[in-house]
Amino acid sequence: DIQMTQSPSSLSASVGDRVTITCRASQSISSFLNWYQQKPGKAPKVLIYAASSLQSGVPSRFSGSGSGTDFTLTINSLQPEDLATYYCHQSHITPPTFGQGTKVEIK
Amino acid sequence: EVQLVESGGGLVQPGRSLRLSCAASGFTFDDYAMHWVRQAPGKGLEWVAGIGWNSGNKGYADSVKGRFTISRDNAKNSLYLQMNSLSAEDTAFYYCAKDLGLYYDSSGIDYWGQGTLVTVSS
Repeated sequence: DIQMTQSPSSLSASVGDRVTITCRASQSISSFLNWYQQKPGKAPKVLIYAASSLQSGVPSRFSGSGSGTDFTLTINSLQPEDLATYYCHQSHITPPTFGQGTKVEIK
Repeated sequence: EVQLVESGGGLVQPGRSLRLSCAASGFTFDDYAMHWVRQAPGKGLEWVAGIGWNSGNKGYADSVKGRFTISRDNAKNSLYLQMNSLSAEDTAFYYCAKDLGLYYDSSGIDYWGQGTLVTVSS
């Protein structure tokens, strides 16, 4: 199975900060990488698909980059409503797998 | 608007069976693969099973292979998960999820339902 390793596992940042979360795949997955946001008590919601495409309706402060094995989710100008856990996900090579999650807290 | 509504969760004894359903609307159901993903309370996301647009391509996590069966009825816009031989380790929220493409092992998930809780306990 492909292992998806996210870092950091958690972070605390201030409103307005730029936040970067990384996801590393144990083998190449091309650009078949999605990012999800899960707020407390809610279902996940897609932010980015195909590594860098912003899902319709998602604020432009979210962006994704990378290909192969290394990927990044960036939140420019963190907002209070961005308090959530963020997951990366690959389904290019079966079985589909998720990263362990990165919990983002607001200082 | 894409809507995925799960049902069928609840409290079940170890060793028993349960069938989850997911009613889909707001998109052309038979144009997309579908998935079940679970999340134990306070834990991360675990992919459980996926099924292609015409049921011709299916896959399961090793943790459920041989016990769970995914199926779909395109005429009813519905997805199902038959869960047999349940154990405490299967306790989780179960999410129905829509894929971006035709096959479960291709593009990944875009939309998620709100989830249904399955609790396995005596």
